[in-house]
Amino acid sequence: DGGITQSPKYLFRKEGQNVTLSCEQNLNHDAMYWYRQDPGQGLRLIYYSQIVNDFQKGDIAEGYSVSREKKESFPLTVTSAQKNPTAFYLCASSIGLADSTDTQYFGPGTRLTVL
Amino acid sequence: AQSVTQLGSHVSVSEGALVLLRCNYSSSVPPYLFWYVQYPNQGLQLLLKYTTGATLVKGINGFEAEFKKSETSFHLTKPSAHMSDAAEYFCAVSRGFNKFYFGSGTKLNVKP
Repeated sequence: DGGITQSPKYLFRKEGQNVTLSCEQNLNHDAMYWYRQDPGQGLRLIYYSQIVNDFQKGDIAEGYSVSREKKESFPLTVTSAQKNPTAFYLCASSIGLADSTDTQYFGPGTRLTVL
Repeated sequence: AQSVTQLGSHVSVSEGALVLLRCNYSSSVPPYLFWYVQYPNQGLQLLLKYTTGATLVKGINGFEAEFKKSETSFHLTKPSAHMSDAAEYFCAVSRGFNKFYFGSGTKLNVKP
């Protein structure tokens, strides 16, 4: 079955540590995205990538980093510079069309808690 | 700028009652429109989407939405609520790659 996988489902981090969230898709999509979700705030875009080896900052990129070395993978690193990292993180992908038909599909999410 | 407004952060209905979740968008040109559902601690699942053609769109789980250009609305409805419909629902619009805008979400509570 085609889809998007995220791991781990739950992640605990001590203050000052960097952690990496995994996102893999086998939909053959060019575009991938990372969102952060906080209660009552909807989804906020962290980073996005349209093609391999290229990515752009979203609305709240500070304290985060990404890489896109393979089409299928788009890992997100939450660095110690992120002041309030406790949140639910969602990865998504889309074909990457420039017109309005582009539809985003989501992974199951990773819940990060800072201890 | 694109924006999506979902009226009501929380909606409560009785089981068997009509579900109506409201979504309005701002755009001079009609975008593509989507509804997603999110169950607790899960990702977003696509319920339905409007592209072109028929303005009444049917989705999964008995939901449907009607695109009304004159009202710039895309409200989500279901004739009879079920307990399993309790979730958070997000309206979204797309203008293409990286031009995907989400509403702030509406939590649906279904009372027995």
